[in-house]
Amino acid sequence: ETGVTQTPRHLVMGMTNKKSLKCEQHLGHNAMYWYKQSAKKPLELMFVYSLEERVENNSVPSRFSPECPNSSHLFLHLHTLQPEDSALYLCASSQEGGGNSGANVLTFGAGSRLTVL
Amino acid sequence: DAKTTQPPSMDCAEGRAANLPCNHSTISGNEYVYWYRQIHSQGPQYIIHGLKNNETNEMASLIITEDRKSSTLILPHATLRDTAVYYCIAPPNLGSNYKLTFGKGTLLTVNP
Repeated sequence: ETGVTQTPRHLVMGMTNKKSLKCEQHLGHNAMYWYKQSAKKPLELMFVYSLEERVENNSVPSRFSPECPNSSHLFLHLHTLQPEDSALYLCASSQEGGGNSGANVLTFGAGSRLTVL
Repeated sequence: DAKTTQPPSMDCAEGRAANLPCNHSTISGNEYVYWYRQIHSQGPQYIIHGLKNNETNEMASLIITEDRKSSTLILPHATLRDTAVYYCIAPPNLGSNYKLTFGKGTLLTVNP
């Protein structure tokens, strides 16, 4: 496989369920991201991991818990979600630390469509 | 990020050039302009980026004005598959994407 792969592509869960979204990148990148895209809203950056350490957490509720076990894998653990958390969750990766070259390009996965009932 | 302004929507006839404008009047001297696009319900896709000079790749051309306050993304021969939301972004040049934020972009509709 190439690029950034997200599973599952679609997930329906109840408010009391616990589920996880998985992201895997095959690009040798050293940074990974979670974005949330609600209907008719811009992408919102949720979490950033660089070299497996969390470097950014944009005030995301604790019911979203990220995990980055290695530079190729990123998880988003979900528990006691609310209906308003229904959205497209996008994972991305990039190669950071290259200085001011301007070539800091994000590669996105296809996303996981989450519906919370 | 330098604030960017894009029209909310544009139409283009199939086979014609699509010219998507972006204003970034507050851009700093070392901040690049990036373009991404997002086809419906898919992840965004990188298109092109530039600093001062015009750039071209297999997907598009990027024309940046001399004062760097605006730019235009050109799709030379638009196809129906180019229908997407196009994002113009000018992130702070920190050598990272940690502060990269997406706005609402321009919805380009390519008509047959």
